[in-house]
Amino acid sequence: AQTVTQSQPEMSVQEAETVTLSCTYDTSESNYYLFWYKQPPSRQMILVIRQEAYKQQNATENRFSVNFQKAAKSFSLKISDSQLGDTAMYFCAFMNPFQGAQKLVFGQGTRLTINP
Amino acid sequence: GAVVSQHPSWVICKSGTSVKIECRSLDFQATTMFWYRQFPKQSLMLMATSNEGSKATYEQGVEKDKFLINHASLTLSTLTVTSAHPEDSSFYICSARHSGRAPGELFFGEGSRLTVL
Repeated sequence: AQTVTQSQPEMSVQEAETVTLSCTYDTSESNYYLFWYKQPPSRQMILVIRQEAYKQQNATENRFSVNFQKAAKSFSLKISDSQLGDTAMYFCAFMNPFQGAQKLVFGQGTRLTINP
Repeated sequence: GAVVSQHPSWVICKSGTSVKIECRSLDFQATTMFWYRQFPKQSLMLMATSNEGSKATYEQGVEKDKFLINHASLTLSTLTVTSAHPEDSSFYICSARHSGRAPGELFFGEGSRLTVL
């Protein structure tokens, strides 16, 4: 079974700083998807960024980028020029696209606080 | 587009009663929806996969007779917590898969907080 581990329960940075959230996973699959989801205080989860394992290029979405190290099974999220609105729980997630229902396996989450 | 709505957002009930939570995809059809349970400051635990027109697939350890899931239409899945007890108090979240979007891009409801007295 796949597992996802986020070793940082909480992080806090000042506005405009750069912060990196770590995530490691365990799988025997060679093709899969990795995600970072954000859960703001309002609770509705939204997708931040997606990475396909077969792509070597790291995904980027505006201020959000990932460092995908397939051999090390590491998938960290970097938030540049952090903003107050980035305050949220961040969940790393894994998906095996060949497994029937395409379920997401979530990590434990990292609570990120951006301070003014 | 791709909005998922849950109702109710908050519900308080007495022990022994049943509570139904609805999950609707407002602007797309969702053949597959997922139900999660989230404890305070913890991750989402997948409870079951809800498939339109067929029985739900429950994760190991989840009591199917306690948590009844019905996915009668392409836009609605319901979770009924039967004979609720205080230990069932939790935050329940649904998500829906949009066939027109990339794999794994799920759309989540706002969540429903259940408190059983």
